[in-house]
Amino acid sequence: GQNIDQPTEMTATEGAIVQINCTYQTSGFNGLFWYQQHAGEAPTFLSYNVLDGLEEKGRFSSFLSRSKGYSYLLLKELQMKDSASYLCAVTYNTDKLIFGTGTRLQVFP
Amino acid sequence: EAQVTQNPRYLITVTGKKLTVTCSQNMNHEYMSWYRQDPGLGLRQIYYSMNVEVTDKGDVPEGYKVSRKEKRNFPLILESPSPNQTSLYFCASSPITGTDEQYFGPGTRLTVT
Repeated sequence: GQNIDQPTEMTATEGAIVQINCTYQTSGFNGLFWYQQHAGEAPTFLSYNVLDGLEEKGRFSSFLSRSKGYSYLLLKELQMKDSASYLCAVTYNTDKLIFGTGTRLQVFP
Repeated sequence: EAQVTQNPRYLITVTGKKLTVTCSQNMNHEYMSWYRQDPGLGLRQIYYSMNVEVTDKGDVPEGYKVSRKEKRNFPLILESPSPNQTSLYFCASSPITGTDEQYFGPGTRLTVT
């Protein structure tokens, strides 16, 4: 199988930093996506990592370690609007995108 | 505006009554896909299409059919819906393959009683 594991729920405070982890099976790995999904809405693209390292995009950064089968999404200066589900998704040597079950983040004032 | 559209957005139907959910994209994308999303299970791929007249099964294809007669359209057909197909359905498209960034439609919430 190609299990993708991420925590089910996380909570954080407005203005804080939160890290959402994702682990996956490394065999046949191509790349890893992070999507954001607000309740009842469609997922929207946040980042795509193929190479090892950190990619920063404004308040959001995504890290990948191919050898460890590990990624994280880092959200800085949290805002209330960041309350959403964050979906880790992996592509292997196929044309399919495999999603994890998502991490529901709640940001409190 | 570049977008993926789905219709209907909400549908309540009865077991066994054939239905079609339409999906259309205006970005000239090659790749299109259907997902269902269920609590605790995440997004699971039903079918995908690499190009016109080319379709392939995803992870949960049972009970569904698709067709890709034109590049922009990728309808999802439930020939005989059952209650276990009650779900939130998303259509998505991407420029070339499933490894590109995917653009999602707004979703169709289907209830089968």
